[in-house]
Amino acid sequence: GDSVTQKQGQVTLSEDDFLFINCTYSTTTYPTLFWYVQYPGQGPQLLLKVTTANNKGISRGFEATYDKGTTSFHLQKASVQESDSAVYFCALVNNNAGAKLTFGGGTRLTVRP
Amino acid sequence: EAAVTQSPRNKVTVTGGNVTLSCRQTNSHNYMYWYRQDTGHGLRLIHYSYGAGNLQIGDVPDGYKATRTTQEDFFLLLELASPSQTSLYFCASSDARRVNTEVFFGKGTRLTVV
Repeated sequence: GDSVTQKQGQVTLSEDDFLFINCTYSTTTYPTLFWYVQYPGQGPQLLLKVTTANNKGISRGFEATYDKGTTSFHLQKASVQESDSAVYFCALVNNNAGAKLTFGGGTRLTVRP
Repeated sequence: EAAVTQSPRNKVTVTGGNVTLSCRQTNSHNYMYWYRQDTGHGLRLIHYSYGAGNLQIGDVPDGYKATRTTQEDFFLLLELASPSQTSLYFCASSDARRVNTEVFFGKGTRLTVV
């Protein structure tokens, strides 16, 4: 079946630091890839998505590039702010299996002022 | 803005108890989902549905039943609750008729089984 792996359970940075969150995936077909963000007391919400057609997603200063060769979809941001503190989930939809969304384990980002 | 409403927001029950979690979406979406969130596991899919009367098995279905009574309403049932089912539960919906569409989540129900 489909799987998504995020190796970093926690990341702690200072404001204006560079953010990199690792995500790799395994699937039998060409998926659509998503990053979701979850703030305290809320459900996850979409941050950005990438399809096989466009390879890169950009939103609110965050960027992720879809690399079929390494089956990776890492999330980056040049300069984080305290307000970016949240849990970030990588996820995929296998377009041959309906709309079933498979998530990684999540990465908790803490940004110190 | 898409709306998914879960109730209750918090629930405490005893081992062996009977619990129903409710979810309503007002987005006219065809797909609805139940996920559980546990530290280190991310969100894991329990059950999902593509319409009233339909039910699909997710990745962690053991100990859970679900029922989709209308386009809007999706229920998760724990008939013999166990402490291992203590978790944060999320309901979600999407319009899967549109390819690569976003999934919208509710705010979650925190269930504690003592």
